[in-house]
Amino acid sequence: DTGVSQNPRHKITKRGQNVTFRCDPISEHNRLYWYRQTLGQGPEFLTYFQNEAQLEKSRLLSDRFSAERPKGSFSTLEIQRTEQGDSAMYLCASTGGGRGDTQYFGPGTRLTVL
Amino acid sequence: GQNIDQPTEMTATEGAIVQINCTYQTSGFNGLFWYQQHAGEAPTFLSYNVLDGLEEKGRFSSFLSRSKGYSYLLLKELQMKDSASYLCAVRGDDYKLSFGAGTTVTVRA
Repeated sequence: DTGVSQNPRHKITKRGQNVTFRCDPISEHNRLYWYRQTLGQGPEFLTYFQNEAQLEKSRLLSDRFSAERPKGSFSTLEIQRTEQGDSAMYLCASTGGGRGDTQYFGPGTRLTVL
Repeated sequence: GQNIDQPTEMTATEGAIVQINCTYQTSGFNGLFWYQQHAGEAPTFLSYNVLDGLEEKGRFSSFLSRSKGYSYLLLKELQMKDSASYLCAVRGDDYKLSFGAGTTVTVRA
């Protein structure tokens, strides 16, 4: 069990470009979450999947954001037409039940939009 | 909605004890979590409480009172490596975590 991994770790892009991030959860974890975190704040929920089904999307997730988990394993988060306000750390977490159904986080992707 | 409050900053001396309080008002309650986050890194799980009382795990303990909407994280025998942000998070009926803004703890020699 190698933990949750995310790629890339850092992404710098120009405003208006599209970016895609990948999250590989802990194997056999059926639930996967995306969060966004800005400096000095706690993570904010964006969306989550139960296997391949996207069960909920936050109101924070504008039409420019889309997430997929096509085979119920890894997930991608795409941001189209990036804006400077999208600059943040994007965190992925997974859980597979167990005590407390604890969410385990990946290292995050830090996005900087110039 | 969810409202989770914790102090912004705390400072303590190496070897001392620090208590980080968290109060919450949430729609539904299915557990309270504490995470540690070093600058630029991901949150790492520290503790979980769903019933009232104290959970002890080595140098870290966490307490919950559901009737008061209150929890604390107790860090004992502080070490320099404990300098980090500590996040209080509540899980509602919908399996989502709502986080506080975090408490930055600075440990001084």
